[in-house]
Amino acid sequence: DTEVTQTPKHLVMGMTNKKSLKCEQHMGHRAMYWYKQKAKKPPELMFVYSYEKLSINESVPSRFSPECPNSSLLNLHLHALQPEDSALYLCASSLGGEVPQHFGDGTRLSIL
Amino acid sequence: GEDVEQSLFLSVREGDSSVINCTYTDSSSTYLYWYKQEPGAGLQLLTYIFSNMDMKQDQRLTVLLNKKDKHLSLRIADTQTGDSAIYFCAERDPGGGADGLTFGKGTHLIIQP
Repeated sequence: DTEVTQTPKHLVMGMTNKKSLKCEQHMGHRAMYWYKQKAKKPPELMFVYSYEKLSINESVPSRFSPECPNSSLLNLHLHALQPEDSALYLCASSLGGEVPQHFGDGTRLSIL
Repeated sequence: GEDVEQSLFLSVREGDSSVINCTYTDSSSTYLYWYKQEPGAGLQLLTYIFSNMDMKQDQRLTVLLNKKDKHLSLRIADTQTGDSAIYFCAERDPGGGADGLTFGKGTHLIIQP
């Protein structure tokens, strides 16, 4: 069982909808991450939060908006997504730096 | 950008050893990681190795690191059907202060009965 919990597990939305993905960890980790994984591809980094501050944004379109309300929670707000945004969205956390990152099971997102 | 290279498929017979290979590019990486992904699931951290180590063993898993050649391998002894998955080698993103991981394309381990 993963110690990083992501909800929902599956999400289907239209291109005009607004939805949010949620991620939670209670391991005291201070760094949290969003990755996007397309089918048959490796995960690609989207955002990094360190001590609740956005430290990395890997040129992600503004239709993806991350939020870190506190050290245990990470959200990804979605608006006006495109069909090519359909993917598995993975959240991870770590103590920071180069120590291992622990991943959740992901949210499988389908855009109609 | 930096690349982490892996072969895409490996087929082994149940009970044999599996060896999954990876080459990386950033010689400054302090940690190198192996993750396992089963169908429809997230990534499970299998093991990791410090760059000042040559080998790390953890039950059925053995990681070998050749820093000179920037080559990393994962050996799974007595491969079982439950080991069928995609295995990703990863290094920390070398792009100046980023904490993100750069993954190889993943090796799909196929177990033959």
